[in-house]
Amino acid sequence: QQQVKQSPQSLIVQKGGISIINCAYENTAFDYFPWYQQFPGKGPALLIAIRPDVSEKKEGRFTISFNKSAKQFSLHIMDSQPGDSATYFCAARNTGNQFYFGTGTSLTVIP
Amino acid sequence: NAGVMQNPRHLVRRRGQEARLRCSPMKGHSHVYWYRQLPEEGLKFMVYLQKENIIDESGMPKERFSAEFPKEGPSILRIQQVVRGDSAAYFCASSPVTRREQFFGPGTRLTVL
Repeated sequence: QQQVKQSPQSLIVQKGGISIINCAYENTAFDYFPWYQQFPGKGPALLIAIRPDVSEKKEGRFTISFNKSAKQFSLHIMDSQPGDSATYFCAARNTGNQFYFGTGTSLTVIP
Repeated sequence: NAGVMQNPRHLVRRRGQEARLRCSPMKGHSHVYWYRQLPEEGLKFMVYLQKENIIDESGMPKERFSAEFPKEGPSILRIQQVVRGDSAAYFCASSPVTRREQFFGPGTRLTVL
Protein backbone atom coordinates (compact mmCIF):
# COMPACT_ATOMS: atom_id res chain seq x y z
CA GLN A 1 0.00 0.00 0.00
CA GLN A 2 1.46 3.29 -1.11
CA GLN A 3 1.27 5.68 1.84
CA VAL A 4 2.13 8.71 -0.27
CA LYS A 5 0.84 9.01 -3.82
CA GLN A 6 2.73 11.27 -6.21
CA SER A 7 1.85 12.60 -9.65
CA PRO A 8 2.68 13.04 -12.41
CA GLN A 9 5.25 10.33 -13.06
CA SER A 10 7.01 12.57 -15.57
CA LEU A 11 6.81 16.22 -16.48
CA ILE A 12 8.22 18.29 -19.32
CA VAL A 13 8.30 22.05 -18.90
CA GLN A 14 9.70 24.87 -21.01
CA LYS A 15 12.46 26.99 -19.54
CA GLY A 16 10.92 29.80 -17.52
CA GLY A 17 7.69 27.90 -16.92
CA ILE A 18 6.18 26.62 -13.68
CA SER A 19 6.63 22.99 -12.68
CA ILE A 20 3.97 21.55 -10.38
CA ILE A 21 4.21 18.18 -8.67
CA ASN A 22 1.44 16.87 -6.43
CA CYS A 23 1.32 14.44 -3.54
CA ALA A 24 -1.51 13.02 -1.46
CA TYR A 25 -1.51 11.05 1.78
CA GLU A 26 -3.99 9.27 4.03
CA ASN A 27 -2.32 9.04 7.42
CA THR A 28 -3.29 12.08 9.48
CA ALA A 29 -0.49 11.27 11.92
CA PHE A 30 2.13 12.44 9.43
CA ASP A 31 3.76 15.55 10.83
CA TYR A 32 6.55 16.55 8.47
CA PHE A 33 6.54 16.72 4.67
CA PRO A 34 9.86 17.11 2.84
CA TRP A 35 10.67 17.23 -0.84
CA TYR A 36 13.86 15.70 -2.18
CA GLN A 37 15.70 16.29 -5.45
CA GLN A 38 17.72 13.50 -6.98
CA PHE A 39 20.11 13.68 -9.91
CA PRO A 40 21.14 10.51 -11.78
CA GLY A 41 23.69 8.49 -9.86
CA LYS A 42 23.31 10.62 -6.72
CA GLY A 43 21.48 10.32 -3.46
CA PRO A 44 18.35 12.38 -2.76
CA ALA A 45 19.02 15.85 -1.41
CA LEU A 46 16.58 17.71 0.81
CA LEU A 47 15.08 20.59 -1.13
CA ILE A 48 12.39 22.09 1.06
CA ALA A 49 10.06 20.87 3.80
CA ILE A 50 6.87 21.92 5.54
CA ARG A 51 4.95 21.10 8.73
CA PRO A 52 1.15 20.70 8.69
CA ASP A 53 0.48 23.85 10.70
CA VAL A 54 1.68 25.96 7.76
CA SER A 55 -0.15 26.29 4.45
CA GLU A 56 2.73 27.51 2.35
CA LYS A 57 6.50 27.73 2.48
CA LYS A 58 8.71 29.44 -0.05
CA GLU A 59 12.45 29.19 -0.54
CA GLY A 60 13.74 30.98 -3.60
CA ARG A 61 12.05 29.54 -6.67
CA PHE A 62 10.64 26.56 -4.73
CA THR A 63 7.29 26.69 -2.93
CA ILE A 64 5.37 24.02 -1.03
CA SER A 65 1.61 24.42 -0.81
CA PHE A 66 -0.05 22.35 1.89
CA ASN A 67 -3.77 21.58 2.18
CA LYS A 68 -4.33 19.79 5.46
CA SER A 69 -8.07 19.20 4.99
CA ALA A 70 -7.53 17.64 1.57
CA LYS A 71 -4.41 15.79 2.75
CA GLN A 72 -2.49 17.06 -0.24
CA PHE A 73 0.70 18.99 -0.77
CA SER A 74 2.49 20.18 -3.85
CA LEU A 75 5.83 21.51 -5.02
CA HIS A 76 5.92 24.50 -7.33
CA ILE A 77 9.12 25.39 -9.15
CA MET A 78 8.92 28.90 -10.55
CA ASP A 79 11.00 30.04 -13.53
CA SER A 80 12.09 26.44 -14.17
CA GLN A 81 15.63 26.03 -15.49
CA PRO A 82 17.35 23.17 -17.35
CA GLY A 83 19.46 22.63 -14.23
CA ASP A 84 16.26 21.74 -12.37
CA SER A 85 15.92 18.61 -14.52
CA ALA A 86 15.98 15.80 -11.97
CA THR A 87 13.70 13.37 -10.17
CA TYR A 88 11.68 14.84 -7.32
CA PHE A 89 10.31 12.84 -4.41
CA CYS A 90 7.78 13.92 -1.85
CA ALA A 91 7.81 12.24 1.53
CA ALA A 92 5.92 12.18 4.79
CA ARG A 93 7.12 11.30 8.27
CA ASN A 94 5.06 9.56 10.93
CA THR A 95 5.36 9.87 14.70
CA GLY A 96 7.68 6.87 14.74
CA ASN A 97 10.17 8.85 12.66
CA GLN A 98 9.62 6.59 9.66
CA PHE A 99 9.60 8.32 6.27
CA TYR A 100 7.34 7.27 3.41
CA PHE A 101 8.31 8.37 -0.08
CA GLY A 102 6.29 8.97 -3.22
CA THR A 103 7.25 7.14 -6.39
CA GLY A 104 9.00 10.16 -7.87
CA THR A 105 8.49 12.62 -10.72
CA SER A 106 11.01 12.90 -13.50
CA LEU A 107 11.21 16.57 -14.48
CA THR A 108 12.72 17.69 -17.77
CA VAL A 109 13.10 21.40 -18.42
CA ILE A 110 13.54 22.15 -22.10
CA PRO A 111 15.79 25.11 -22.97
CA ASN B 1 31.93 18.45 7.40
CA ALA B 2 31.86 15.42 5.14
CA GLY B 3 28.49 14.14 4.12
CA VAL B 4 27.12 10.64 4.49
CA MET B 5 29.59 8.18 3.02
CA GLN B 6 28.65 4.88 1.45
CA ASN B 7 30.87 2.21 0.04
CA PRO B 8 31.24 0.55 -2.22
CA ARG B 9 29.43 2.73 -4.75
CA HIS B 10 28.94 -0.24 -7.06
CA LEU B 11 28.86 -3.89 -6.06
CA VAL B 12 28.47 -6.90 -8.32
CA ARG B 13 27.65 -10.27 -6.81
CA ARG B 14 26.67 -13.64 -8.20
CA ARG B 15 23.56 -15.37 -6.98
CA GLY B 16 24.17 -17.01 -3.62
CA GLN B 17 27.00 -14.71 -2.55
CA GLU B 18 26.89 -12.22 0.31
CA ALA B 19 26.72 -8.46 -0.09
CA ARG B 20 27.97 -6.05 2.58
CA LEU B 21 27.07 -2.40 2.25
CA ARG B 22 28.68 0.20 4.49
CA CYS B 23 27.44 3.57 5.63
CA SER B 24 29.32 6.18 7.63
CA PRO B 25 26.91 8.85 8.91
CA MET B 26 27.69 12.52 9.02
CA LYS B 27 29.82 13.62 11.95
CA GLY B 28 27.68 14.01 15.03
CA HIS B 29 24.83 11.91 13.65
CA SER B 30 23.85 8.89 15.69
CA HIS B 31 20.79 7.76 13.71
CA VAL B 32 21.01 5.79 10.49
CA TYR B 33 18.30 4.73 8.06
CA TRP B 34 18.55 2.32 5.14
CA TYR B 35 16.36 2.52 2.04
CA ARG B 36 16.09 0.48 -1.14
CA GLN B 37 15.28 2.03 -4.50
CA LEU B 38 14.23 -0.07 -7.46
CA PRO B 39 14.33 1.39 -10.98
CA GLU B 40 11.46 3.81 -11.63
CA GLU B 41 10.32 3.51 -8.01
CA GLY B 42 10.56 5.57 -4.90
CA LEU B 43 12.57 4.86 -1.81
CA LYS B 44 11.38 2.03 0.39
CA PHE B 45 12.23 2.17 4.06
CA MET B 46 14.12 -0.86 5.33
CA VAL B 47 15.54 -0.24 8.79
CA TYR B 48 16.25 2.50 11.30
CA LEU B 49 19.18 2.15 13.71
CA GLN B 50 20.74 4.07 16.52
CA LYS B 51 24.17 3.24 17.86
CA GLU B 52 24.10 -0.46 18.88
CA ASN B 53 20.30 -0.61 18.61
CA ILE B 54 17.77 -1.45 15.93
CA ILE B 55 14.88 0.96 16.41
CA ASP B 56 12.59 -0.13 13.56
CA GLU B 57 13.20 -2.95 11.09
CA SER B 58 9.65 -3.24 9.84
CA GLY B 59 10.69 -2.63 6.23
CA MET B 60 13.38 -5.24 6.12
CA PRO B 61 12.74 -8.70 4.63
CA LYS B 62 12.65 -11.29 7.38
CA GLU B 63 15.17 -13.57 5.72
CA ARG B 64 18.68 -12.96 4.36
CA PHE B 65 18.79 -9.27 5.36
CA SER B 66 20.36 -7.87 8.51
CA ALA B 67 21.69 -4.53 9.67
CA GLU B 68 23.89 -3.28 12.44
CA PHE B 69 25.30 -0.01 13.68
CA PRO B 70 28.09 -0.79 16.14
CA LYS B 71 29.45 1.56 18.76
CA GLU B 72 32.52 2.07 16.60
CA GLY B 73 32.61 2.00 12.83
CA PRO B 74 30.08 2.26 10.05
CA SER B 75 26.61 0.84 9.80
CA ILE B 76 26.47 -2.37 7.79
CA LEU B 77 23.62 -3.71 5.71
CA ARG B 78 24.21 -7.37 5.00
CA ILE B 79 22.41 -9.42 2.39
CA GLN B 80 23.08 -13.13 2.46
CA GLN B 81 22.59 -15.50 -0.48
CA VAL B 82 21.71 -12.69 -2.86
CA VAL B 83 19.14 -13.23 -5.60
CA ARG B 84 18.54 -11.25 -8.79
CA GLY B 85 15.62 -9.44 -7.18
CA ASP B 86 18.02 -7.85 -4.70
CA SER B 87 19.51 -5.77 -7.52
CA ALA B 88 18.75 -2.17 -6.58
CA ALA B 89 20.25 1.03 -5.27
CA TYR B 90 20.60 1.03 -1.51
CA PHE B 91 20.70 4.39 0.20
CA CYS B 92 21.71 5.26 3.69
CA ALA B 93 20.61 8.43 5.47
CA SER B 94 21.59 9.88 8.81
CA SER B 95 20.21 12.43 11.25
CA PRO B 96 21.64 13.95 14.43
CA VAL B 97 18.68 13.13 16.67
CA THR B 98 15.26 11.69 16.08
CA ARG B 99 12.68 13.72 14.25
CA ARG B 100 15.14 15.81 12.31
CA GLU B 101 15.90 16.00 8.62
CA GLN B 102 17.65 13.06 7.04
CA PHE B 103 20.73 13.49 4.89
CA PHE B 104 21.34 10.88 2.24
CA GLY B 105 24.51 9.25 1.01
CA PRO B 106 25.28 8.65 -2.68
CA GLY B 107 24.05 5.07 -2.55
CA THR B 108 25.41 1.64 -3.36
CA ARG B 109 24.23 0.11 -6.60
CA LEU B 110 24.04 -3.65 -6.19
CA THR B 111 23.90 -5.85 -9.27
CA VAL B 112 23.28 -9.55 -8.85
CA LEU B 113 24.32 -11.65 -11.84
